Amino acid sequence: GQNIDQPTEMTATEGAIVQINCTYQTSGFNGLFWYQQHAGEAPTFLSYNVLDGLEEKGRFSSFLSRSKGYSYLLLKELQMKDSASYLCAGMDSNYQLIWGAGTKLIIKP
Amino acid sequence: GAVVSQHPSWVICKSGTSVKIECRSLDFQATTMFWYRQFPKQSLMLMATSNEGSKATYEQGVEKDKFLINHASLTLSTLTVTSAHPEDSSFYICSARKGLEVGELFFGEGSRLTVL
Repeated sequence: GQNIDQPTEMTATEGAIVQINCTYQTSGFNGLFWYQQHAGEAPTFLSYNVLDGLEEKGRFSSFLSRSKGYSYLLLKELQMKDSASYLCAGMDSNYQLIWGAGTKLIIKP
Repeated sequence: GAVVSQHPSWVICKSGTSVKIECRSLDFQATTMFWYRQFPKQSLMLMATSNEGSKATYEQGVEKDKFLINHASLTLSTLTVTSAHPEDSSFYICSARKGLEVGELFFGEGSRLTVL
């Protein structure tokens, strides 16, 4: 079956760095997405990885290892506004997104 | 980035009535739109995939007669929740694919439906 696993909740301190891990099992693979979702709002796109390695975009970076079925989202210089849920989604061979349940990130001052 | 607009953002209705939610791509043509439902503290659940000019493809367990989807144009898809019941209360979100690139998927703001 297809499955996305990510931690339910994480806590970090303002100004620090946090890494949110995601493991995936999909039927075929057409990339791994990360989205940010604030409570009561729709998800917003953060990153898309289809090749192995690290993609850096400002304070956010995303890493992919296809051989391990593993990705992580790295957030640096955490700000209070980064408190949100972070959704990991894998795209299967039919270009369908398989969503994880999301990781709720709590930022403390 | 591309803009997808969803309307209404909030809707409260009585049990047994029907509610229509619109999803518009404002600055691009969307050949494919997706409708999701999200219950509190849960992940997005794909309900159906909508292609312009053809019937929607529903996910297993989603009642096509209850959740009517119409994708009449390249910029508009509608979801109608027919004979709504309290258990249909949820956050409904649409997304639209801008082009052929897999990363070009943009979300609407979401519509929170409360059925009394």
